Amino acid sequence: ILNVEQSPQSLHVQEGDSTNFTCSFPSSNFYALHWYRWETAKSPEALFVMTLNGDEKKKGRISATLNTKEGYSYLYIKGSQPEDSATYLCAFLGNMYSGGGADGLTFGKGTHLIIQP
Amino acid sequence: NAGVTQTPKFQVLKTGQSMTLQCAQDMNHNSMYWYRQDPGMGLRLIYYSASEGTTDKGEVPNGYNVSRLNKREFSLRLESAAPSQTSVYFCASSEWIVTGSTYEQYFGPGTRLTVT
Repeated sequence: ILNVEQSPQSLHVQEGDSTNFTCSFPSSNFYALHWYRWETAKSPEALFVMTLNGDEKKKGRISATLNTKEGYSYLYIKGSQPEDSATYLCAFLGNMYSGGGADGLTFGKGTHLIIQP
Repeated sequence: NAGVTQTPKFQVLKTGQSMTLQCAQDMNHNSMYWYRQDPGMGLRLIYYSASEGTTDKGEVPNGYNVSRLNKREFSLRLESAAPSQTSVYFCASSEWIVTGSTYEQYFGPGTRLTVT
């Protein structure tokens, strides 16, 4: 069983503040790292899929970085808004055989973010 | 496009009863997955199907069976439900992975199952 850890478990942030949280994962046999945003009573939706060490991805006020050598990724939210309140999940995908196919993601338990007006 | 659909949305079973959770996707994805979500545990993979005709066990397969009926549909069966299977079940689909490519998973709305 792979160990994918997210910290903190929950976070309260004032509207307008910036914040970040961490995902740590195995540094060996790395293939990809996903970030998902999960609003209450909805389904997880993909934010980023990252594969290369040093990758930085950005979508609006949300960005993510990846360090595969040390096994961590950061998610940043700039100028938090109430609509950013959600659980943010990271998920690790290990190396696969070269012939293609599929494998399930190993998810962390998530960081529950609450933006306070 | 409906994306990934799941039926039913809610179900209550008695211990020992059986049922099948249905999942369908209209995105022409090759790969499909079943996860369960429990408080404090995050999403855990039950079974997945890389392509039509193949299925593989995930992290928590015990007590479940799956069928990849065709490219669109992937069902999850509980043969003899137990209270430990009370959970929210999510189906997901994604593109076929080839070396060097990446993919993201698209999730259905979930099925909330209670076993009493």
